[in-house]
Amino acid sequence: GEDVEQSLFLSVREGDSSVINCTYTDSSSTYLYWYKQEPGAGLQLLTYIFSNMDMKQDQRLTVLLNKKDKHLSLRIADTQTGDSAIYFCAGSSGYALNFGKGTSLLVTP
Amino acid sequence: GAGVSQSPSNKVTEKGKDVELRCDPISGHTALYWYRQRLGQGLEFLIYFQGNSAPDKSGLPSDRFSAERTGESVSTLTIQRTQQEDSAVYLCASSLGVVSLPGANVLTFGAGSRLTVL
Repeated sequence: GEDVEQSLFLSVREGDSSVINCTYTDSSSTYLYWYKQEPGAGLQLLTYIFSNMDMKQDQRLTVLLNKKDKHLSLRIADTQTGDSAIYFCAGSSGYALNFGKGTSLLVTP
Repeated sequence: GAGVSQSPSNKVTEKGKDVELRCDPISGHTALYWYRQRLGQGLEFLIYFQGNSAPDKSGLPSDRFSAERTGESVSTLTIQRTQQEDSAVYLCASSLGVVSLPGANVLTFGAGSRLTVL
């Protein structure tokens, strides 16, 4: 299976950009995903990127993929307090997604 | 339904008791997944269904855990003789299934069932 590693905690000030990083081991992952989990809720898909792309932008979200280094990042522009949550990256190995442990993002006023 | 529904949302049980957790996937989603999330941990894959069949049960932690799916719809995760280490949030997700689309396998998650074993 795939190992997915993330830093566990990130704190930013409101209005700043947040960058959440992830590394993965399985280079055969066709898609890589970012999910968000708010307290007491399930995971919500934020975005995903096809492995032959190196960047995808979706409003305030920018995903960068460095396939050579097996590094994935999620940039949130103009971070708001409502962005405080746990962010999971995930790779696919066939049918199931393999998730990292999640990065807790705290946005302070 | 509009989303993935799980019940109960919270369950407190005594050590040694059996529990059943239910998942209602999105209508038409052929694939269904169970994950476990322990406090402060990532998601641990338990089992996956394609239709009513479970091609991969290797994530089930022990033989006390079992799951079934009927009618390509509802799934039940059963934990027998619960132990304190079973305390976790059990998340269910469904998707159209990798065999249905050439694109991304997007999982939609339920809110989870929080299990506390005393």
